[in-house]
Amino acid sequence: RKEVEQDPGPFNVPEGATVAFNCTYSNSASQSFFWYRQDCRKEPKLLMSVYSSGNEDGRFTAQLNRASQYISLLIRDSKLSDSATYLCVVNTLYGGATNKLIFGTGTLLAVQP
Amino acid sequence: DAMVIQNPRYQVTQFGKPVTLSCSQTLNHNVMYWYQQKSSQAPKLLFHYYDKDFNNEADTPDNFQSRRPNTSFCFLDIRSPGLGDAAMYLCATSMGIGKQGAKLYEQFFGPGTRLTVL
Repeated sequence: RKEVEQDPGPFNVPEGATVAFNCTYSNSASQSFFWYRQDCRKEPKLLMSVYSSGNEDGRFTAQLNRASQYISLLIRDSKLSDSATYLCVVNTLYGGATNKLIFGTGTLLAVQP
Repeated sequence: DAMVIQNPRYQVTQFGKPVTLSCSQTLNHNVMYWYQQKSSQAPKLLFHYYDKDFNNEADTPDNFQSRRPNTSFCFLDIRSPGLGDAAMYLCATSMGIGKQGAKLYEQFFGPGTRLTVL
């Protein structure tokens, strides 16, 4: 089982649609969670951190469910410019001394006009 | 603006010819990372520096080495590139607090170096 799992998609949605991505992680000791956005042939860029209480940034809402070990990202009113790969990233403590960020393989979103 | 810079952006090398990729940062972050990313795959961590402490991933080939002469700079050396090493190489930085049980904050990535091996 992969440490961080995402549906690779692609998710093809029309402009204005609401789309949700889920991500599951296997290590219950994981501490911090992030969503990154990566455009084709570009570097990943931080979209938002994910907090236990859930957080919202404009059209984007992230939620964390520690009991079920999943993270979600909701995008409302999708824009063409939202088309990208969305990477779920989990910070996990290993052996009490080492932290590591584990990336999911990403979910591809294609917003259609 | 504070940022992570990678040079060159595109690198072409021949099979077996050593190559060095560079990364610099103005964020004053104490942790620097090197990732390899192949098409349609997640970034794969090769190694990272926590201050001057080098941390190698268990599955990183010996062909890959790194140097961090100071806080701002970090280099990735590929001693004998093979065709399978063609990829995007991403440098990232973050703030880490403490050396044990540290909490790593979000990582900031450079634009990457795309390596082609002929």
